[in-house]
Amino acid sequence: GAGVSQSPSNKVTEKGKDVELRCDPISGHTALYWYRQSLGQGLEFLIYFQGNSAPDKSGLPSDRFSAERTGGSVSTLTIQRTQQEDSAVYLCASSSGLAGYGYTFGSGTRLTVV
Amino acid sequence: QKEVEQNSGPLSVPEGAIASLNCTYSDRGSQSFFWYRQYSGKSPELIMSIYSNGDKEDGRFTAQLNKASQYVSLLIRDSQPSDSATYLCAVNTNAGKSTFGDGTTLTVKP
Repeated sequence: GAGVSQSPSNKVTEKGKDVELRCDPISGHTALYWYRQSLGQGLEFLIYFQGNSAPDKSGLPSDRFSAERTGGSVSTLTIQRTQQEDSAVYLCASSSGLAGYGYTFGSGTRLTVV
Repeated sequence: QKEVEQNSGPLSVPEGAIASLNCTYSDRGSQSFFWYRQYSGKSPELIMSIYSNGDKEDGRFTAQLNKASQYVSLLIRDSQPSDSATYLCAVNTNAGKSTFGDGTTLTVKP
């Protein structure tokens, strides 16, 4: 597609349930990033995939968070046993992976844990 | 010290004025610098990139980079109410991964 596609756009879940968030990057972009943004706050880095390299997981806040990227394209971010503090907008971005190129962001998934 | 620091604002300017947004970074090895605009409730959008010392102009926007001072800025000339948004500075220190500042919120008053 022309842009980065994320689904669902909104997700309301009960505390303790697992959720999966999906990101479909721009075709040909080798790098894929997940960030989250709480209301009125900056971007919090979660995880970074670059080609076939091991992902940079340094931003994942706990072992309840995991992500995978299949076939170098679509990525899924999974949050297990959701907590209210997980409520945020989860943003996915992709890029060519080269230092001189910026990101294209998807429209995000707004996650609300009740 | 944060890796990328921005004035938190909010910054308010009258319509038609020049808005100046500033950013400093800590890693002297940084090579690429970006400005993103984020409207309320929307995702960040890349508006400027700069790699060499000096100025880069694109329409009403000018990015300025001074690597010796580890400083990058964004000037918006003839500011319009539609420029009201949060502006994020981002710096690439490793290959394609960017470090973001927390953003400066700009309000342009008619």
